[in-house]
Amino acid sequence: QVQLQESGPGLVKPSETLSLTCTVSGGFINTYYWSWIRQPPGKGLEWIGTIYYNDYNPSLSGSTNYNPSLKSRVTISVDTSKNQFSLKLTSVSVADTALYYCARDSSMQHWGQGTLVTVSS
Amino acid sequence: DIHMTQSPSSLSASVGDRVTITCRASQGIDNYLTWFQQKPGKAPKSLIYSASSLQSGVPSKFSGSGSGTDFTLTISSLQPEDFATYYCQQYHSYPFTFGQGTKLEIK
Repeated sequence: QVQLQESGPGLVKPSETLSLTCTVSGGFINTYYWSWIRQPPGKGLEWIGTIYYNDYNPSLSGSTNYNPSLKSRVTISVDTSKNQFSLKLTSVSVADTALYYCARDSSMQHWGQGTLVTVSS
Repeated sequence: DIHMTQSPSSLSASVGDRVTITCRASQGIDNYLTWFQQKPGKAPKSLIYSASSLQSGVPSKFSGSGSGTDFTLTISSLQPEDFATYYCQQYHSYPFTFGQGTKLEIK
């Protein structure tokens, strides 16, 4: 059974960069789609972006898609040696305070437990 | 972007009731739809994918139907553990989008 676990700082200062990592266990990261989603306190779910990684399809492997509202500030990448994928969100503001989740597949059948990131000085 | 609209936004029901939640897409998404259940303080849990396929381990009292723009999630014989917030999500095209959620409360 695949399991995902988010990790990273719980507090980030305004204008700085939010960096999170999702560690995948029980399966390999070199196939499937891998996504980040966030949820501001008391609000709904917002898709951040997705990366596709496939060792058997190098031409498409590593391709990313991002939410247009965040695209200029977001980068998602994969580290196959550690079976992890990462999120970087630059120039954060208080509006980026949220629970951040990682998930597998476009249909998001598997999720991590989430990690709360607070943006505050 | 494809906008997903759920109805109702909140719903009160009793233990043993059968309820239906609707999700409408602003354009056709074939059957690229997932339903999630989220309880307070927990991550969303996938219930149904591809509009009508039951996720492994999910009780058969949950069922999904629909294709194109209109979808439903039905929960039969509500139990206390079913009171939660439910979301739909389309993965037909980027950007992926979620419905605003339906909060199912005990009457």
